This record gives sequence, structure tokens and C-alpha cells, in this order.
Amino acid sequence: SQQGEEDPQALSIQEGENATMNCSYKTSINNLQWYRQNSGRGLVHLILIRSNEREKHSGRLRVTLDTSKKSSSLLITASRAADTASYFCATLYSGYSTLTFGKGTMLLVSP
Amino acid sequence: GAVVSQHPSRVICKSGTSVKIECRSLDFQATTMFWYRQFPKQSLMLMATSNEGSKATYEQGVEKDKFLINHASLTLSTLTVTSAHPEDSSFYICSARSPGLDGGARETQYFGPGTRLLVL
Repeated sequence: SQQGEEDPQALSIQEGENATMNCSYKTSINNLQWYRQNSGRGLVHLILIRSNEREKHSGRLRVTLDTSKKSSSLLITASRAADTASYFCATLYSGYSTLTFGKGTMLLVSP
Repeated sequence: GAVVSQHPSRVICKSGTSVKIECRSLDFQATTMFWYRQFPKQSLMLMATSNEGSKATYEQGVEKDKFLINHASLTLSTLTVTSAHPEDSSFYICSARSPGLDGGARETQYFGPGTRLLVL
């Protein structure tokens, strides 16, 4: 299976703290994307990082990509209770046109 | 922009009946739509890819006669679960992609809110 892995599976923090989630994948990619899913809802696209990029920012989000280690991290700074959700990484593997989703990290931010 | 809707949001049906789920791109034309299935607290598993006007491409292990997909227009794709059984109970999510939305890169998918199916 090409499915990637995320860690941790679950993360519980207090408001104001930073949350870091990691994603590992199997083979070479075109890009890696992070999505957010609130309980029982669809996915919201957060950020896309291409294989030739190392870091990207969007508001309180910071994504890094290390192609040598086949891994990515998503950092949410100054977390809020509204950030509580599941976060998935998805990879677009080279030569493929469909996304492969990781298993996700459930983030709980307590007030 | 880039809104995708699904209907219904929730459906309960009896075993043996068929259920149709609609996926619409509201403000853009979706050349490609994807159907995913998600079990509780698990990841999304791609079921099939559909391109407007052509037959869907199913992932390995997905029964094409069980999960009928039709992508008759650039704004609508339907998934019909035929002769549904309790093991088909799941959360079904569609997504749409359009090269016009991200400069032709065809990289970003826009997801619908999902349909929860419960088969009794």
C-alpha cells in the first residue's frame, strides 16, 4: 500500500500552544497536501507544498517537506479551540493523478 | 468559490434497496470527480475516479456493479449503491477537480460535506 503514516494519531493540547503533526510517505511525490476535517464533515484544503519546496506558510500554518526523509510536518501556531479537528496529509505520487491520504491526526485543543 | 455539495447529507435505508448520492460542483465545472469512502476514525479510501462523459475508473477491490458512478455533466456526478447491505454503511465523500481553478495544475481537490449512509 502507498498509504502514508501520520503521527501522532491523536494530540491533545491547550489553547495557545503549538501543535505539530508529522506525515511520512513511501515513494517520490509531485506534491503533498494537508487537509482538515471536522467531525462528520467533508475535508477542507489547507496547504499544498510541491516536491521542490521545503517550507510554506499560510497564516498560522507552517508546512515543511523533507524529500530525503520522505516526510512532512504541519505546525499550527497559537492554537485555538476551533482548530479541533482531524488533519490528513495527502500525497500526489509521481506518475499518479489521484491523492493518497494518510491515516490522520486527531487534534483536540482545550480552552 | 470552489464549492462542492452533496445530497443527501444523511440517509437510512433497508437492506436490499439502492441509494443514490449526488455530488455537484456549484460554481465551477469539474472535469474530474472522485468518490471516497471513510470508516469511523479512519482515513479516506479512494473508490473511483470519474471524468465527465466517460466511464469511471475503479480502484482495486471496488465492485463496479455495486457502486455505480455516473458523471453525465461537468457539474454533477452520482454514486448509486445498489442492493445495499449493512456492511455498506459508511461515510461517502466526493471531491472535484478543475484545472481552471489552480492555473491548470490539476492539483487541488475540493471536497463535498459527505453523505452518511446507514443500511439497516
